[in-house]
Amino acid sequence: AQTVTQSQPEMSVQEAETVTLSCTYDTSENNYYLFWYKQPPSRQMILVIRQEAYKQQNATENRFSVNFQKAAKSFSLKISDSQLGDTAMYFCAFMSWKNYGGATNKLIFGTGTLLAVQP
Amino acid sequence: GAGVSQSPRYKVAKRGQDVALRCDPISGHVSLFWYQQALGQGPEFLTYFQNEAQLDKSGLPSDRFFAERPEGSVSTLKIQRTQQEDSAVYLCASSPLNEQFFGPGTRLTVL
Repeated sequence: AQTVTQSQPEMSVQEAETVTLSCTYDTSENNYYLFWYKQPPSRQMILVIRQEAYKQQNATENRFSVNFQKAAKSFSLKISDSQLGDTAMYFCAFMSWKNYGGATNKLIFGTGTLLAVQP
Repeated sequence: GAGVSQSPRYKVAKRGQDVALRCDPISGHVSLFWYQQALGQGPEFLTYFQNEAQLDKSGLPSDRFFAERPEGSVSTLKIQRTQQEDSAVYLCASSPLNEQFFGPGTRLTVL
């Protein structure tokens, strides 16, 4: 069974600084996706960034980038130039991708990291 | 609206009552997922639909939980004889392929 571990329950960063959130996962699958989702207080979950396992290049979305280490099964999120609006719970998630009809490509989430951006 | 919507947003039930939670997915999305998110935890998978077919219900915690999507669009998650341990946020997500779009969730509190 696949598992996702986020070992940092809470983190704090000063506005405009850089912070890295850690995530490790365990799987025997070879074809999968990894995601970081953001869940602001009392607001819905939105996708921050995703990484296809077959791609060696790390994904980047504006101020957000990942460090994907497939052999180490590590998938960290770096947030540059942190903004007050980045304050949220961040979830790392794994999806084993099975490309046949009827496959359940469900997300497996970690327990989350609560990030507080301080002014 | 362009996003996934869920109703009600908040539900308080007395222990033993039945509840029904509704999810309106993004139009045209074939896949629909239900997740349960306990306080301070990550969401956990409950069940999966592809169009109207419920292809995976392995995450439903007991036979008190039932989900349906009769016309391949709107889905309802029903919980019978609610218990305190059912208190959680229930999230619905729809997907066209390999990215899931989440609704705001329904926060269920069982007293």
